[in-house]
Amino acid sequence: GAVVSQHPSRVICKSGTSVKIECRSLDFQATTMFWYRQFPKKSLMLMATSNEGSKATYEQGVEKDKFLINHASLTLSTLTVTSAHPEDSSFYICSARGGGVNTEAFFGQGTRLTVV
Amino acid sequence: AQKITQTQPGMFVQEKEAVTLDCTYDTSDPSYGLFWYKQPSSGEMIFLIYQGSYDQQNATEGRYSLNFQKARKSANLVISASQLGDSAMYFCAMREGIGSARQLTFGSGTQLTVLP
Repeated sequence: GAVVSQHPSRVICKSGTSVKIECRSLDFQATTMFWYRQFPKKSLMLMATSNEGSKATYEQGVEKDKFLINHASLTLSTLTVTSAHPEDSSFYICSARGGGVNTEAFFGQGTRLTVV
Repeated sequence: AQKITQTQPGMFVQEKEAVTLDCTYDTSDPSYGLFWYKQPSSGEMIFLIYQGSYDQQNATEGRYSLNFQKARKSANLVISASQLGDSAMYFCAMREGIGSARQLTFGSGTQLTVLP
């Protein structure tokens, strides 16, 4: 299958700082990327959908000013957690799809964020 | 209403036995896709199998098969000849409609433990 690389896999940051997470599609052009958040032992909750070159569409309840998403190219999307707080600690995972009707989504390895 | 329902929070199976993980879904869209993903403790999401709503035959991928019962809106995953490495969280997911911007909606997951 296609490869999606997410970096970093783990990050610890201090409260009040910002953290950037990168999601890259390595061998295909991702017209759409999705960002999910997952709490321990829970399901994946969609945060936002981003299409290359346009603003991300955020799910209800997700603060767009706190979780900044940029999808500047067909192979890279970034999620920046701004002014992080301990409650932002979670597992964040991206997925990417190419064009086409029924293409599957490929997932990155995920990023475990701990805010101290 | 839940779009994807997985009623088994945890399942145990003996090594080399077969196991069925349940998934029911709810949609009024005639075009949809059903997915199963495996998430080991490392966190990565591993795509296992896909079933399209118009597919006439049940999908199979190696030891994985999807028991698709459209009238019942169920898409159970069958793992044959379980291996210790199959121990993981398993998520059923659905994409409604067509087009690359459609996101996946996940069920709550089933934690499978394979016993030696």
